[in-house]
Amino acid sequence: DSGVTQTPKHLITATGQRVTLRCSPRSGDLSVYWYQQSLDQGLQFLIQYYNGEERAKGNILERFSAQQFPDLHSELNLSSLELGDSALYFCASSVAWVIDEQFFGPGTRLTVL
Amino acid sequence: DQQVKQNSPSLSVQEGRISILNCDYTNSMFDYFLWYKKYPAEGPTFLISISSIKDKNEDGRFTVFLNKSAKHLSLHIVPSQPGDSAVYFCAASPRISGAGSYQLTFGKGTKLSVIP
Repeated sequence: DSGVTQTPKHLITATGQRVTLRCSPRSGDLSVYWYQQSLDQGLQFLIQYYNGEERAKGNILERFSAQQFPDLHSELNLSSLELGDSALYFCASSVAWVIDEQFFGPGTRLTVL
Repeated sequence: DQQVKQNSPSLSVQEGRISILNCDYTNSMFDYFLWYKKYPAEGPTFLISISSIKDKNEDGRFTVFLNKSAKHLSLHIVPSQPGDSAVYFCAASPRISGAGSYQLTFGKGTKLSVIP
């Protein structure tokens, strides 16, 4: 158990809909990262927050947005969903904002029908 | 364009033998490298890392070798155990150089099967 929790575990929705994925980092970790893993793909970095502020942005679509709240939990919002958004979405956390060992949650599997 | 490549999608090794997983990168700004292990239905777990100031780092049965001139790193597992069967991801970052980016770039992974 990495100490990172993600909810829900599974999500099935339809095209055009909007969903919110939630992540609670390990106790004491200030950085939260979001990754997308599509079929046969590596993990694609989406976005990083550090202590409530956006720190780095990767290949995140404009239809996607994220935020980190004062209690350090984070939410990833996916809107106008398309079939291609079906993937595993992982949240990771680390103590600092520089690259270091990241602890991953179990992931949320999103299926868009 | 893949900046981190793991060219072997899968690898089978007998229990007790050495497993060697390879990773190539193209971005010369990468100076910090990590290996993660992933079991089905779980998130990736950090295994071992190496910075570009070293060419080798060991942790128990796991050793990572870095060849900067070839832009190549490898993970050696000796001896391999059935519990090592998992997908292994290589990741890289321009950590020391900064380069304004703090993200990890991952390879697509290599599925290791250790046969008893």
